[in-house]
Amino acid sequence: AQSVTQLDSHVSVSEGTPVLLRCNYSSSYSPSLFWYVQHPNKGLQLLLKYTSAATLVKGINGFEAEFKKSETSFHLTKPSAHMSDAAEYFCVVSDRRSSASKIIFGSGTRLSIRP
Amino acid sequence: DADVTQTPRNRITKTGKRIMLECSQTKGHDRMYWYRQDPGLGLQLIYYSFDVKDINKGEISDGYSVSRQAQAKFSLSLESAIPNQTALYFCATSDGHTDTQYFGPGTRLTVL
Repeated sequence: AQSVTQLDSHVSVSEGTPVLLRCNYSSSYSPSLFWYVQHPNKGLQLLLKYTSAATLVKGINGFEAEFKKSETSFHLTKPSAHMSDAAEYFCVVSDRRSSASKIIFGSGTRLSIRP
Repeated sequence: DADVTQTPRNRITKTGKRIMLECSQTKGHDRMYWYRQDPGLGLQLIYYSFDVKDINKGEISDGYSVSRQAQAKFSLSLESAIPNQTALYFCATSDGHTDTQYFGPGTRLTVL
């Protein structure tokens, strides 16, 4: 069975400091993994995705994530936070060999940026 | 223009009323989805459709129904709305080759 756990419901960092949003997953098969961002009163936008190619994935707005199979993790990082990064972030796992009912969303991490 | 649109964007209704939320897409995708979002719970899948003739229940389909009128249109109905259906509802599409989803802006529904 698939599952995804976002380890922090809220992360607060100062502008210009690194960002780390943690995600652990469980999957019976080789998963696809995604990070989506949701700004206030907006829909979700894809940040990046892992689909069994390079384990270090670069996304938009300077974000990247590393797939670590041994740790079943897919943490999202950014070297230097910007005020515009304040948003809700969702980690998502899917098994491409099964139906849409196997796309599982994490509960989200709210990222706040202090001036 | 937005690739995935939802109407209405906000709706307030009363318990027992029938409500329809509409979703349209110009991405040419076969797959469409309806999710609800509640604070602290992420997104939960209500229904999904892989093509016009294929409709499937998601994890929380009770109290909801859907209609896939065309490849580009996927509507969600609440036959008799109840207060615990107050939530943010999202429509999404994907192309079937990857699981990358493209989301609409959401509909905020309040049931009094």
